[in-house]
Amino acid sequence: GAVVSQHPSRVICKSGTSVKIECRSLDFQATTMFWYRQFPKQSLMLMATSNEGSKATYEQGVEKDKFLINHASLTLSTLTVTSAHPEDSSFYICSATRFEAFFGQGTRLTVV
Amino acid sequence: EDQVTQSPEALRLQEGESSSLNCSYTVSGLRGLFWYRQDPGKGPEFLFTLYSAGEEKEKERLKATLTKKESFLHITAPKPEDSATYLCAVVGSYNTDKLIFGTGTRLQVFP
Repeated sequence: GAVVSQHPSRVICKSGTSVKIECRSLDFQATTMFWYRQFPKQSLMLMATSNEGSKATYEQGVEKDKFLINHASLTLSTLTVTSAHPEDSSFYICSATRFEAFFGQGTRLTVV
Repeated sequence: EDQVTQSPEALRLQEGESSSLNCSYTVSGLRGLFWYRQDPGKGPEFLFTLYSAGEEKEKERLKATLTKKESFLHITAPKPEDSATYLCAVVGSYNTDKLIFGTGTRLQVFP
């Protein structure tokens, strides 16, 4: 299967700071990238859809000013959690798709 | 509204005890049904894509089948390393490439 690399895998940050998470498709050009959030023992919750060169489309209830998405190229998308608070602590996962979706390893964010 | 329901929520098997996981779906114009495996603290790992009723795919001890209303993931003679959460997802005609996920089945295989 295709390889999607997500970094960092774990990050701890102080409340009020911003954190950037990178998602790269290493061996194919993804038409679309998606960002998910996952709570313990729950399924993936779609946050936003990202297409190269255009603004991300956010799901209802997701604050676009808090979760900034930049899709710089067909192989790179970034999610920046701005002014992070403890309630933003979660497991964030990206996927890159060329119809089938391939997922990154996930990022465990802890805001203290 | 597109919807995916997985059952059972959790399954405990003895090593070698074959079983099946169910994924029932309602979608407008199925473009594809996907099975993923997710280990704790990791992103989902792609297993299979099924496109049309009657299709079957196999990989080692896993076999996925598809009907017009549901998909089954059959696990033959499972081993402890098959323990994971198995996720089912669909893509419909009107959702571009958005995956609609089920809540998953947590499988534990004991030696």
